[in-house]
Amino acid sequence: DTGVSQNPRHKITKRGQNVTFRCDPISEHNRLYWYRQTLGQGPEFLTYFQNEAQLEKSRLLSDRFSAERPKGSFSTLEIQRTEQGDSAMYLCASSRGQSETQYFGPGTRLLVL
Amino acid sequence: EDQVTQSPEALRLQEGESSSLNCSYTVSGLRGLFWYRQDPGKGPEFLFTLYSAGEEKEKERLKATLTKKESFLHITAPKPEDSATYLCAGIRGGGSEKLVFGKGTKLTVNP
Repeated sequence: DTGVSQNPRHKITKRGQNVTFRCDPISEHNRLYWYRQTLGQGPEFLTYFQNEAQLEKSRLLSDRFSAERPKGSFSTLEIQRTEQGDSAMYLCASSRGQSETQYFGPGTRLLVL
Repeated sequence: EDQVTQSPEALRLQEGESSSLNCSYTVSGLRGLFWYRQDPGKGPEFLFTLYSAGEEKEKERLKATLTKKESFLHITAPKPEDSATYLCAGIRGGGSEKLVFGKGTKLTVNP
């Protein structure tokens, strides 16, 4: 069990650029989640996948955000035309099944200049 | 709307001084209540899951309890390495899998 991994760990970009983050869940976990956390706040849910199907999306996930999990293994989160308000820690988590513990990765810290 | 509120926002303790953190929730049909620990710049680290009122779980100096309206994280004889932000989250009934988090309690334990 190697844990959830995320890449890159840090990303600095200029406003208007596109960025993509990757998440590799714990093997055998079929559920994968994306959250966003800003300073002094708890994580906020963005979206979740069961295998390759995206089953739930938050209203926070504007049309500039897209997430995929094409083969039911790793996932990518893309932000198009980044804005300064997108600066945050993007967290990925995975779980074995419904209502089971979600294990988080180390996060990707995004700074939009 | 589902809500999780944690108190206090920050807590300073002396090493060995026991205390409790509070997590009150209004989560429709709560299916699970989770406690995580988060160190600066890192992802949340899982501590406990509680599924029903009256349930208790312990791990080293930490003990989590759950009632129908709130959960407590009791810290007994804390050490400086227990310093972190402690996050509480609920998962609602009805098929949603999203965790609803509180803002956390930042705990500092002084030697």
